[in-house]
Amino acid sequence: DAKTTQPTSMDCAEGRAANLPCNHSTISGNEYVYWYRQIHSQGPQYIIHGLKNNETNEMASLIITEDRKSSTLILPHATLRDTAVYYCIAQDVNTNAGKSTFGDGTTLTVKP
Amino acid sequence: DAGITQSPRHKVTETGTPVTLRCHQTENHRYMYWYRQDPGHGLRLIHYSYGVKDTDKGEVSDGYSVSRSKTEDFLLTLESATSSQTSVYFCAISESGLAYEQYFGPGTRLTVT
Repeated sequence: DAKTTQPTSMDCAEGRAANLPCNHSTISGNEYVYWYRQIHSQGPQYIIHGLKNNETNEMASLIITEDRKSSTLILPHATLRDTAVYYCIAQDVNTNAGKSTFGDGTTLTVKP
Repeated sequence: DAGITQSPRHKVTETGTPVTLRCHQTENHRYMYWYRQDPGHGLRLIHYSYGVKDTDKGEVSDGYSVSRSKTEDFLLTLESATSSQTSVYFCAISESGLAYEQYFGPGTRLTVT
């Protein structure tokens, strides 16, 4: 699976959009980009995933660049409850989920 | 929330003693996983199971063994606990084995003194 690189930490004002970047410059054609988050001491929670096209669900939007070397997770109206560690993972669609590599992620702090 | 429980939720044990952590699911999912998470770091896969009695090693399996005798239970055993195994242990389940379908348990905080 491709290695992903994320900033260590980011701040965001409550009510504003939080844009979390992820670099995956060695991603291959079969690898999806997945995002999870982990709220303090809880188990990680799936947010969204995508292959080529931009994706949106009730939690977030995922923007993937045309060359697929980077992506951005967007939380459109961040709340204090969105404070968490966000993990970006690149994984081959044919590989068992247990092979996922969770890096150190980005700690997002939403401030009042 | 997916029906996953872990027991115990907290445990303190001494170096050299065996420890067993239990993961129990009520979702009838095929895949189950054990991860460990050390302070300030992401999760690392210890072992996983793709069916009853079918298990495989993850990236940090040394010093750990697992067993799955029925669909709902996945046990993680530390054969002889060491201080380096002090960590938070998360269990996860997945119906299909796809990353976006992983559901995680609440975690077990293990301290080895």
